[in-house]
Amino acid sequence: AQTVTQSQPEMSVQEAETVTLSCTYDTSESDYYLFWYKQPPSRQMILVIRQEAYKQQNATENRFSVNFQKAAKSFSLKISDSQLGDAAMYFCAYRSAHAGGTSYGKLTFGQGTILTVHP
Amino acid sequence: NAGVMQNPRHLVRRRGQEARLRCSPMKGHSHVYWYRQLPEEGLKFMVYLQKENIIDESGMPKERFSAEFPKEGPSILRIQQVVRGDSAAYFCASSPQGAGGEKLFFGSGTQLSVL
Repeated sequence: AQTVTQSQPEMSVQEAETVTLSCTYDTSESDYYLFWYKQPPSRQMILVIRQEAYKQQNATENRFSVNFQKAAKSFSLKISDSQLGDAAMYFCAYRSAHAGGTSYGKLTFGQGTILTVHP
Repeated sequence: NAGVMQNPRHLVRRRGQEARLRCSPMKGHSHVYWYRQLPEEGLKFMVYLQKENIIDESGMPKERFSAEFPKEGPSILRIQQVVRGDSAAYFCASSPQGAGGEKLFFGSGTQLSVL
C-alpha cells in the first residue's frame, strides 16, 4: 500500500519570504500522480499543484513550484513571495495512474502541515 | 456549473442515532469518493463509487457504515448507531472518469458531532 509522509506538523514564514514544505511517499508503482492541496479554515480543499511522475520537469503554478525527486520519492512544495492568504493546512497526496492499481481512483493523503504567515 | 454540494454542513447526533450525509457531485461527474478527516489529521479514504456501483470500499469500517450512489439523486453516506469516535469532517469529491491524473473536486464537507 502507498503511504505519504509529511514530517513537518507546522511551519511559519514571513510575508514575502519563501517557504518549502516537505513530503515523502512510498510506492512500488512506476506511474502515478502527486498533488498538493490547501485547506484554509473554511475547510474547502483547494488543489494547488499537480505532478505527473513520468515527467522530469517540475510543475509550476505562479508562486507555487515543486521539487520532485522520483528516485528519492520526495515531493516538496515551494511557496515564493508568501502572502497572508497562503496561511492554511497543506496536504500532499498520491494517486495511482493505473486502472487496477492498488490505490487506483483514490487519493492517499499525508498528515498535513499547518502553514502560518507572519505580516 | 455548481460545485460539489454536501449537506448538511453541520450535523449533530446523539449516540445510537443514525447519520445520513448527502453529496451531489458536479454535473457530468459519475465518480464519487468519500473521505473522513479526524481532528488535526489528514483525509482518509473511505469509499469510491460510480453510479449504482461500489468500486472500492477498502477504507470503510466493516460495521455501521454504508454508502450508495443511486442512478438518480445524490450519493449517501450512512452511519448507523453513531458513537463519539465517528465525530469528524466527512468530505465528498467527484470526478468525470476516475482517471489518475484527473482533478478531484471536493465539497466543503459535513462536520458530524456525536454527543
